[in-house]
Parts: sequence; structure tokens; C-alpha cells
Amino acid sequence: GENVEQHPSTLSVQEGDSAVIKCTYSDSASNYFPWYKQELGKGPQLIIDIRSNVGEKKDQRIAVTLNKTAKHFSLHITETQPEDSAVYFCAAPGGSYIPTFGRGTSLIVHP
Amino acid sequence: DAGVIQSPRHEVTEMGQEVTLRCKPISGHNSLFWYRQTMMRGLELLIYFNNNVPIDDSGMPEDRFSAKMPNASFSTLKIQPSEPRDSAVYFCASSFGFESGGELFFGEGSRLTVL
Repeated sequence: GENVEQHPSTLSVQEGDSAVIKCTYSDSASNYFPWYKQELGKGPQLIIDIRSNVGEKKDQRIAVTLNKTAKHFSLHITETQPEDSAVYFCAAPGGSYIPTFGRGTSLIVHP
Repeated sequence: DAGVIQSPRHEVTEMGQEVTLRCKPISGHNSLFWYRQTMMRGLELLIYFNNNVPIDDSGMPEDRFSAKMPNASFSTLKIQPSEPRDSAVYFCASSFGFESGGELFFGEGSRLTVL
């Protein structure tokens, strides 16, 4: 099955700084890479995704990059704000299409 | 439009008791997932249904766990008997077309504490 590694487990930044979270995957059959945000007491919610036919996708302050050769993808958040504080999960489906999630990154944005 | 609805939100029970968690997926979604979240193991897939049929239950920890989906609008996850190590947040998620990269919509979770 798919194996997804996510780093760092905790990330602390000052408001206005950028934050980068990295993930690697093992199954070359994976072709869809979503990122989910989980706020305290809530379920994960999709914030951005990327498919294997593109290398980068951007949505306002959030961007995701993908390197299929190296089997890694990253989430970039620019101009961080306190409301960005949450746990972020990457995922990859592998050949089964069912998302395998990374262990999560707790992002703390200090005002 | 209502999202995925889970109940109860919180459950505290004693070891050995039966626990039943409930989920109502989003109308029109044909896939349903049960995940368990713990600090130690993160988000683990327990079981996945497609068109009400269990497709992959390889993540179900042991025979104490069972899940059913009697119709397209309802699913249950049952633990009998419960043990302290079952304490976790259990999430239900639904989707349409996830095989081609569809979004999973999660409920708010059921936090289970087994004493």
C-alpha cells in the first residue's frame, strides 16, 4: 500500500512569515495529491489539491508543488495569519485510490 | 446543504460496554469511509463502503469492530466489547467519484473515551 511521510510534525511561525510543509509518497501509481486542514474540534477539510499532470497550483496565499520524479509534494502558505493555525494533512491515494494520510503538521502562527 | 453528520459527538463508556457510532453521509455521495484518529497513529482508514457495500475492511483492528451500511443515508460503526485502547476520535467521510480524485467530506467526529 501507499506510505506517506510528512514533515515537520510541528511548525511555529510569526504572523506574516511563510510556512512550508513537505510530504513524500511511495506508490508511483499515485496521481492525485490533496491537502486537508483540520481546525480544533473539527474534521479535516480539503484546502487545495494537485494532479500529477501539473507541477504547481496556486490559490491565493496557498500553493502546492509536485515533483513526481522524486515522489514529493509540498504545501506553501505565504503571509501567514493566526487563523491559519491548524493541523495540516497531506494525502496520496496509491493504486487503491483510497487516500492514505500523512501524520499531520501542527502549524502555529504567532500574532 | 447539510454536511456529514455524526453522532454522538462525545461518548464516555466503561471497558466492556458496547459502543455504536452513527453517520449520515451527504446525499448523493456513493462512497463512505470510517477513519480513526489518535496521536500515536494519526488518521487510519478502518473501512470503506462503495454503494453501501463494504469494499475494504483491512483496517478494522479486530473482530470487536464491525461496520454496517444498511442504506445510502446511514452507517454505523460498532465496538463490542470496548477497551481503553479504543479511545480515539472516529471520523466518517463521504465522497462522490473519489477514484478520480474526488474530495472527501468529513464529519466533525465522535470522540470516544473508554475508561
